[in-house]
Amino acid sequence: DGGITQSPKYLFRKEGQNVTLSCEQNLNHDAMYWYRQDPGQGLRLIYYSQIVNDFQKGDIAEGYSVSREKKESFPLTVTSAQKNPTAFYLCASSRQDGSYEQYFGPGTRLTVT
Amino acid sequence: AQSVTQPDIHITVSEGASLELRCNYSYGATPYLFWYVQSPGQGLQLLLKYFSGDTLVQGIKGFEAEFKRSQSSFNLRKPSVHWSDAAEYFCAVGEYGQNFVFGPGTRLSVLP
Repeated sequence: DGGITQSPKYLFRKEGQNVTLSCEQNLNHDAMYWYRQDPGQGLRLIYYSQIVNDFQKGDIAEGYSVSREKKESFPLTVTSAQKNPTAFYLCASSRQDGSYEQYFGPGTRLTVT
Repeated sequence: AQSVTQPDIHITVSEGASLELRCNYSYGATPYLFWYVQSPGQGLQLLLKYFSGDTLVQGIKGFEAEFKRSQSSFNLRKPSVHWSDAAEYFCAVGEYGQNFVFGPGTRLSVLP
């Protein structure tokens, strides 16, 4: 079955530690996205990539980093510079840009204490 | 800049009642329009999409939405709500060469 996987489902870290969230897709999509969702709020775009080895900052990129070395993979690193990292993180992919529907993974809930 | 509004933060309906969730957008051209549903702690699932053509589009789970250009709206409807429809619903607008803009979401509660 084609789809997007995110791992782990729940992640706990101590403050000051970097943490990497995994996102893999087997839909052969060119574009991939990372969103952050806080309780009662909508989705905010962190980073996106429309092609391998290229990515752009979204609306809230500070304190985050990404890489896109393979078409299938788009890992997100939450660095210690991110002031409020506790949130629900969603990865998505689409054929290209906003003219195509995005498909979402199940999400990773990150808790930093 | 594109923007999407969902005027209702929270809606409560009785099971079996009809449902309409509102979505308005601000956009210069004909946008690509989407509705997604999210159950608690889960990812988003696409309910339906509008690209062009017939302004009434059918989606999964018995949902439909109507694009009204004159009102810049894309409201989601369902004739009879089931308890399993309780979730968060997001409207999104896309454009060629641009990223999605998501609305803030509407939380739906269903009374037995």
